[in-house]
Amino acid sequence: NAGVTQTPKFQVLKTGQSMTLQCAQDMNHEYMSWYRQDPGMGLRLIHYSVGAGITDQGEVPNGYNVSRSTTEDFPLRLLSAAPSQTSVYFCASSSQGGIAEAFFGQGTRLTVV
Amino acid sequence: AQTVTQSQPEMSVQEAETVTLSCTYDTSENNYYLFWYKQPPSRQMILVIRQEAYKQQNATENRFSVNFQKAAKSFSLKISDSQLGDTAMYFCAFMILTGNQFYFGTGTSLTVIP
Repeated sequence: NAGVTQTPKFQVLKTGQSMTLQCAQDMNHEYMSWYRQDPGMGLRLIHYSVGAGITDQGEVPNGYNVSRSTTEDFPLRLLSAAPSQTSVYFCASSSQGGIAEAFFGQGTRLTVV
Repeated sequence: AQTVTQSQPEMSVQEAETVTLSCTYDTSENNYYLFWYKQPPSRQMILVIRQEAYKQQNATENRFSVNFQKAAKSFSLKISDSQLGDTAMYFCAFMILTGNQFYFGTGTSLTVIP
């Protein structure tokens, strides 16, 4: 019962460094998405995917890239980290049909110094 | 554009009492779901309750119930018999069915006082 697995759980980056946040789900869900959570602002949608090979931008996509080569994986790339990207990042997956519910990973706390 | 507003940043309630958390939303969509998620200090997002927009009957889940007023675009959460384990941040969320995109409110921090 792995569900949605995010790695790493914590990360410190220097300004300008790049990194990839990993997200994998084992529920064969079509939909996957990335959110960032900042104090007083709730969770905001960065990018989402409705299936392998299909991605689209959410509310706050600038500074982030995504790809979806398989149903299971949906990595989030920061090409050149900035202090404004310090946040907690959540990956979520959900099914196209059936009961509507998003399953969340445990989050990645990212600090950019 | 979709927006979700939670106007109560912090609330507290005595153990065993009842508390209501407010949420309003705005959308031009006709088909959507509404949710309440709980986030304890562990950071895990936990589904509390969900409501289909096409259903008039309010959803209930044990001690948790909602008051869904579609015309007013209001979706409040009532917690009855509050327990210490209910202490958490609560997020109201709205999901568009095409793409399952979620839009969250800014959250209400609930503290249950012994």
